[in-house]
Amino acid sequence: DIQMTQSPSSLSASVGDRVTITCRASQNINYYLNWYQQKAGRAPKLLIYAASRLQPGVPSRFTGSGSGTGFVLTISSLQPEDSATYYCQQTFSTPYAFGQGTKLEIK
Amino acid sequence: EVQLVQSGPEVKKPGESLTISCQASGYFFTNYWISWGRQMAGKGLEWMGRIDPSDSYTNYNPSFQGHVTISVDKSTSTAYLQWSILKTSDTAIYYCARHPRGGGFGGFDPWGQGTLVTVSS
Repeated sequence: DIQMTQSPSSLSASVGDRVTITCRASQNINYYLNWYQQKAGRAPKLLIYAASRLQPGVPSRFTGSGSGTGFVLTISSLQPEDSATYYCQQTFSTPYAFGQGTKLEIK
Repeated sequence: EVQLVQSGPEVKKPGESLTISCQASGYFFTNYWISWGRQMAGKGLEWMGRIDPSDSYTNYNPSFQGHVTISVDKSTSTAYLQWSILKTSDTAIYYCARHPRGGGFGGFDPWGQGTLVTVSS
């Protein structure tokens, strides 16, 4: 089974900061990598699919990059509403594993 | 609008059976797969398995294989997650989500609102 590892597990940043979250796969998953945002008490929301494609309706400050085993989610200018937990997920092969999550706090 | 609406919270005792549901609307039900996921309190997301509503073919995470059953009713565009014997460790929020047929390219979108299952004696 493919394992997904995110870093950091938590971070704190200020409004306007540039934030990066890293996700690493235990084997090559090509570009079959998705990013989700989950706010407290809510269902996850798809932000990025296929490593770099922005889901319609998602603000352009969210970008994804990478392929193979290394991926990055970048928030270019942090907003207060970005406070949430972020998860990566591989859909290269079942079981479709998620990373352990990165909790983002706004200072 | 594409929507997945899940059934309400459940409180059960260990050893009991349970079926929760996920009703889809706003798209052709058989054109997309449905997955189920688990989120235990304060923990991350776990993929449990998926079903192709067009032929009811299922694929399970080995961690959940044999403990849950995923099914669909095409006539009502509803997917189900079933337990025959609940354990206290099944206490969690369960989500359904739609994703493109064939897996791979494309993420899970949308998600249902989640169903809280509490198993306690």
